[in-house]
This record gives sequence, structure tokens and C-alpha cells, in this order.
Amino acid sequence: GQQLNQSPQSMFIQEGEDVSMNCTSSSIFNTWLWYKQDPGEGPVLLIALYKAGELTSNGRLTAQFGITRKDSFLNISASIPSDVGIYFCAGQSSNSGYALNFGKGTSLLVTP
Amino acid sequence: GAGVSQSPSNKVTEKGKDVELRCDPISGHTALYWYRQSLGQGLEFLIYFQGNSAPDKSGLPSDRFSAERTGGSVSTLTIQRTQQEDSAVYLCASSLELRSGYTFGSGTRLTVV
Repeated sequence: GQQLNQSPQSMFIQEGEDVSMNCTSSSIFNTWLWYKQDPGEGPVLLIALYKAGELTSNGRLTAQFGITRKDSFLNISASIPSDVGIYFCAGQSSNSGYALNFGKGTSLLVTP
Repeated sequence: GAGVSQSPSNKVTEKGKDVELRCDPISGHTALYWYRQSLGQGLEFLIYFQGNSAPDKSGLPSDRFSAERTGGSVSTLTIQRTQQEDSAVYLCASSLELRSGYTFGSGTRLTVV
């Protein structure tokens, strides 16, 4: 599948700070998704984006589908300790059917 | 059920043995997916099923890997003659139809020794 570059690899922040992470792709995607994974659990869908330029919020989370369709970012505002986990971006292209290509994840640590 | 159920949650097997991993999707979900997650890596697509259509097996890494879905519900992923590089968490997901935002199970952690 297409290579997804997700950055940063890890973040260590204080409670209350805002966080930003992003994904870029070498090819165009039709859909961008952001998941969060807690230890020992499967990923949980946070936000799904279906249209270039789309900006979507889910509580303190905001994500955007890049206008070039090759990138997406996720912002978390006013972080809290339960935001700790690994965040994955995933993209779906017309070439991959409904299989998703995942980034390698951003590990977020939040200190009280 | 309320969520995607996978069993066993952990499996340790000897190199060369065959293993079967089970996935019970959310009731009524027609699409079912298998992914593999190696340590510190993202998820790697293996296979998906949609209704009675032929499965997309394009992600299976070798012919030692196979999967079936009986009666449009429960799925079994079989790995024959396991190798150490097969050690990973195997995640199953399902969705109401072929949509991108599917629901994952908690996975089976496979360790080949």
C-alpha cells in the first residue's frame, strides 16, 4: 500500500497544552481517518474526513483533510491525562478498495 | 454482540505449528476485515470480506495465511507453519457496509517461539 508518513513519532506534553500531529502521503486519498489506540485495545475511530478541505471537530479534537488530498492533520486542544495513547492516521484510496493504509502512529504522553 | 469479539486474546505457539484466530463481528455488520500490527508499527491490511462477494486477499503476506468467513458472520484467520516473524497482534474489524470507519476488536496477540 501507499506509504503514510506520520509525525511526530512521539510527544510529551503538559496537561492543558494543545497538540498537533499530521500525516502526509505520496499519493491521493479519498478518505482520511484518525484513530486512537489504548494499550491492549484495538484502535477507536476519532474523526473521519471524506472531502478535500473538510475541517471536522469532535469535542476537543479537530482534523482537516488537506486540499491536495495528500495530507491531514489532527489537533487536540487543552489536553488532559486521558488523551494519552497512540494516534494513527489512515487513508483510503481508489486503488486500495476499502483497505486502509495506516501511519506508524504518534505516541502521546500527557503529564498532570 | 455489542462489539467485535476476538479469541483467544493471547496465543503462544511453537514455530512450525498451525494457529487459528477467531473473530466474531458486530451483529448485522456485513463487512469484516483482518489487520496485523507488529510491535511499534501501524496496521497492515490482510484481507476483507463483504457479504457473499469474493474476499479481497491482496494483503495476505504468504500462502501460509488464509481466512474464511462462515455464514456471513464469524471469521477464522489461519496461519500454517508459523514463523517467528508472524508474531504480532492480529486485529479484526467490522462495519455495516464497506465504509472506512469500522470498529476494531481488541486483537489476538500471537507469539511464535
